[in-house]
Amino acid sequence: QKEVEQDPGPLSVPEGAIVSLNCTYSNSAFQYFMWYRQYSRKGPELLMYTYSSGNKEDGRFTAQVDKSSKYISLFIRDSQPSDSATYLCASSMGGQNFVFGPGTRLSVLP
Amino acid sequence: EADIYQTPRYLVIGTGKKITLECSQTMGHDKMYWYQQDPGMELHLIHYSYGVNSTEKGDLSSESTVSRIRTEHFPLTLESARPSHTSQYLCASSDPGRGKAFFGQGTRLTVV
Repeated sequence: QKEVEQDPGPLSVPEGAIVSLNCTYSNSAFQYFMWYRQYSRKGPELLMYTYSSGNKEDGRFTAQVDKSSKYISLFIRDSQPSDSATYLCASSMGGQNFVFGPGTRLSVLP
Repeated sequence: EADIYQTPRYLVIGTGKKITLECSQTMGHDKMYWYQQDPGMELHLIHYSYGVNSTEKGDLSSESTVSRIRTEHFPLTLESARPSHTSQYLCASSDPGRGKAFFGQGTRLTVV
């Protein structure tokens, strides 16, 4: 079993839809949780960062961490074609050794 | 905004050539990483460093080598490139106190 699991998709939604992306993790020692956005042929870009459990909102993006169920979520409201990318979740213990999910490929159709 | 730079962005090279992929960061981060990623596939950690003069192998076996003589610089070298080395190589750094990793834009390597 991988330490971080993520549905690879692909996921296609119409423009304006609410997108829900999810990951599960197995290591209860993880304290830091991140979401990265990666456009084709580019490096991953840090999108959201959460320490421990809770919600974090930044514009159209909301990250949720539920440590009791070991579940990480990213919600995108009013999705745009420019949101089309691969989204990777990541976790770490002391902020050093990062474990990445395989990524979910998202397409937002105009 | 992340200040981590990789050069070159694209490289096409013949089999048997020696190459060095450059990575520099201006954030003063101690820990740096190299990942390998094939198109549409997941990241694989091939090397990391805790700081100057520290280098460790990652989860994926790689014929490449790395060095860390300065905090800001973490180059990756392939002594003899082969077509099987064709991939995207991503460099990253992290600040342990903040638990965030930042990536460069990657080097897309093609060995012909």
